[in-house]
Amino acid sequence: DVKVTQSSRYLVKRTGEKVFLECVQDMDHENMFWYRQDPGLGLRLIYFSYDVKMKEKGDIPEGYSVSREKKERFSLILESASTNQTSMYLCASSFQRSYEQYFGPGTRLTVT
Amino acid sequence: GESVGLHLPTLSVQEGDNSIINCAYSNSASDYFIWYKQESGKGPQFIIDIRSNMDKRQGQRVTVLLNKTVKHLSLQIAATQPGDSAVYFCAENVNAGGTSYGKLTFGQGTILTVHP
Repeated sequence: DVKVTQSSRYLVKRTGEKVFLECVQDMDHENMFWYRQDPGLGLRLIYFSYDVKMKEKGDIPEGYSVSREKKERFSLILESASTNQTSMYLCASSFQRSYEQYFGPGTRLTVT
Repeated sequence: GESVGLHLPTLSVQEGDNSIINCAYSNSASDYFIWYKQESGKGPQFIIDIRSNMDKRQGQRVTVLLNKTVKHLSLQIAATQPGDSAVYFCAENVNAGGTSYGKLTFGQGTILTVHP
């Protein structure tokens, strides 16, 4: 079974803190994605990566950065957390030539 | 169907009924569509997919119908069970070539509630 794990299920941070969300997949997938999920807005793509050290902006990259130093790991970074970044964050991965994405359980981040 | 805004469409059915969840997609160039199910506290899980050269595809208890003329997708669940209660998302591929391969655009989701 494909497994996508995320470092935390719940996280509470203060405004201005630097936040790291980690995602690891064990299926040797080339593509990895970070989404945020807000009620009524579905899943919105923040960043994705199609190879180690490669990244591309998604639809809502402002306030976020990413890092992919190893194929299995994709990190989302909030340089200075703000309250409007309170959300559910979902990581996903897929093979290079596939649209079927496998999702982790999500991290619910609250910024106070 | 799915709509923009803060309130997700909802569908409430009795156990054993058939359910139909609708989705309007936006990009006429999309050639791949996928349905995901998200249970409370979990990430989305793949249900079924369909390519644009098909208009129907069946799985176990689920059928996806694609109408390209009106850019409409539906998911039919037969003999709905309480375990089917979840949020259902449709997604379409971002068919812009290059490194966009693999990217999906998701709908807002529909809440399905199944009453015993």
